Amino acid sequence: GAVVSQHPSWVICKSGTSVKIECRSLDFQATTMFWYRQFPKQSLMLMATSNEGSKATYEQGVEKDKFLINHASLTLSTLTVTSAHPEDSSFYICSARGLAGEPYEQYFGPGTRLTVT
Amino acid sequence: SQQGEEDPQALSIQEGENATMNCSYKTSINNLQWYRQNSGRGLVHLILIRSNEREKHSGRLRVTLDTSKKSSSLLITASRAADTASYFCATDASGGSRLTFGEGTQLTVNP
Repeated sequence: GAVVSQHPSWVICKSGTSVKIECRSLDFQATTMFWYRQFPKQSLMLMATSNEGSKATYEQGVEKDKFLINHASLTLSTLTVTSAHPEDSSFYICSARGLAGEPYEQYFGPGTRLTVT
Repeated sequence: SQQGEEDPQALSIQEGENATMNCSYKTSINNLQWYRQNSGRGLVHLILIRSNEREKHSGRLRVTLDTSKKSSSLLITASRAADTASYFCATDASGGSRLTFGEGTQLTVNP
């Protein structure tokens, strides 16, 4: 149980275009989802926390107009990278926390590799 | 900001040997978690230790926590080539919200 999927697993886009990444909890309802960014050989940096039905909370230094997060249902959150640039190329990982279970349990998706050319 | 620091940054050992990785953090925590990440993949949760616990075991894994020193260690015994991965500690300050990840240790187990 507690499986989180991400789609797509990798995407290549041209500079200036927008890209949407989906994060789904497959077998549980996720009240909270987290979005992380990871540059090569570096650690995960939390970008934002999203709660179902409310606006996302962004970490300091993360542009909310550039990284649009929508958590419209208890099983789906989306991250849209708007007007992507090469410096946005990174590995984006989501995690989800459910209604049941311990509040500290987070389940991570497999990640999405974004390359902006 | 990242509050966790891990050492070593990279560790290379032979199969069968033990691997020890350390993590230090700066603020009070509710719990500390260790994760493994294979190259280009998502994270796999290994073990969680609460702030009131000092040691925890899971299979070949042993985690210690010293809240007075704000540090934790992960020991992998009898390592295998399949243990080759990056290992991250992550602290949870409030028990259910934001995780702050350490810089990670790249472990290579040579067959």
